[in-house]
Amino acid sequence: DTGVSQDPRHKITKRGQNVTFRCDPISEHNRLYWYRQTLGQGPEFLTYFQNEAQLEKSRLLSDRFSAERPKGSFSTLEIQRTEQGDSAMYLCASRGRGNETQYFGPGTRLLVL
Amino acid sequence: GDSVTQMEGPVTLSEEAFLTINCTYTATGYPSLFWYVQYPGEGLQLLLKATKADDKGSNKGFEATYRKETTSFHLEKGSVQVSDSAVYFCAPRDSSASKIIFGSGTRLSIRP
Repeated sequence: DTGVSQDPRHKITKRGQNVTFRCDPISEHNRLYWYRQTLGQGPEFLTYFQNEAQLEKSRLLSDRFSAERPKGSFSTLEIQRTEQGDSAMYLCASRGRGNETQYFGPGTRLLVL
Repeated sequence: GDSVTQMEGPVTLSEEAFLTINCTYTATGYPSLFWYVQYPGEGLQLLLKATKADDKGSNKGFEATYRKETTSFHLEKGSVQVSDSAVYFCAPRDSSASKIIFGSGTRLSIRP
């Protein structure tokens, strides 16, 4: 257990529905990252927060995706109008000041039917 | 942008065999380099890291040396165990930003 938690761990939804995932980073970590991992591939970067500011977004993050970190602590990732291609593991990671290492949560596995 | 290429799997070895998983990267600067491991049914864990040229990261008997001249960060272990069966990811941290660039992963299976 790295200290990063994600909820839910699994989500099954129908195409067209909206879903929201939550990530709670290690408490003193000011940087928070979202990645997506599809079967047999490495994680791909989606977006990055430093405190409450969203500093970078990948081109993978279409308009249907939005992420927030309103108080600089937990973060949410919402996917609107889900598509089957959104099925993946969504990973959250956090990093503290002066530390190179990102610590990953267990992920939320999304299946869009 | 930065990228990484690692040895394709799956790799199957007998217990106590020597392991090498090759990893090369392209980067405009001097990224920090990581190996992450994903054991069956578990999340990504940091295995080892190196933050500057010629640094050697080590953990659990695994080693990797940051080779700037060959832009490589090969993972080695002298004697693998069944418990080392997992997927291994080579991952430079983008030198111009904060994100990690992951390789496609190498699945390692160790036979007793």
